[in-house]
Amino acid sequence: GQNIDQPTEMTATEGAIVQINCTYQTSGFNGLFWYQQHAGEAPTFLSYNVLDGLEEKGRFSSFLSRSKGYSYLLLKELQMKDSASYLCAALDSNYQLIWGAGTKLIIKP
Amino acid sequence: DADVTQTPRNRITKTGKRIMLECSQTKGHDRMYWYRQDPGLGLRLIYYSFDVKDINKGEISDGYSVSRQAQAKFSLSLESAIPNQTALYFCATSDNREAGELFFGEGSRLTVL
Repeated sequence: GQNIDQPTEMTATEGAIVQINCTYQTSGFNGLFWYQQHAGEAPTFLSYNVLDGLEEKGRFSSFLSRSKGYSYLLLKELQMKDSASYLCAALDSNYQLIWGAGTKLIIKP
Repeated sequence: DADVTQTPRNRITKTGKRIMLECSQTKGHDRMYWYRQDPGLGLRLIYYSFDVKDINKGEISDGYSVSRQAQAKFSLSLESAIPNQTALYFCATSDNREAGELFFGEGSRLTVL
C-alpha cells in the first residue's frame, strides 16, 4: 500500500533550527511536496523535490533521497509565525498526491 | 479576492439533509479536487476532475457526489448527510503541468448533527 509517515508533533525554540522528517512508500514516484497549514486555514505550498538533494528557499530547505524514500524539511531562524502544521505529500505514478497526517510544530519563545 | 472560493464557509445541518458545497476558481486551472480533513488523518481525496467532462472517484467517495459545471466551478454534494461526514472540506486546483502544486480554497467546515 501507499503510506506517508511523519511525526505527529514537534517543539522548538524561537531562533533555532528544526528538521521535520518524512518517509514515503508509493506506487511510483513523481515528486515530494511540503505544505504549511496554519490552524484553521488552508494548506499552502512550500517546496517540491523530484531529484535527490537539497532545495533551499530562504529560511526553508527541503531534502530528498529517492533511494531511501526519505525527505526532510529544515526550518532555520525559527519565528513564532512558523507555528503551524507541515504536511508531507508524495506524487504517485498516477500523479495523485498521497498525504501524510501532518506534523504540528510548536514554537516556544 | 481569493483565487479559489468556497461557499459556505461554515454549515451546521441535521442528519438526512442534502448539502451542497460550492467551489469556484479564477486561476484558469483545469484540475479541481475535493478533500476532507479530519484531525490526525490528514487530507483525504473525495473526488477529482481533470476537465469539465471528467469526474473521478477518490479514496473516500461513498456518500458524496460532484458536479463540474464549468472549468471554474466544481461542487460537492452530500445527498443524505450523516454525523461522520462532519469535517473540514477543502476544494483545490492545480495546473496540468504542476500536478502536485495545489491551490486550496479557505475551507468549508461542516457539522452534521
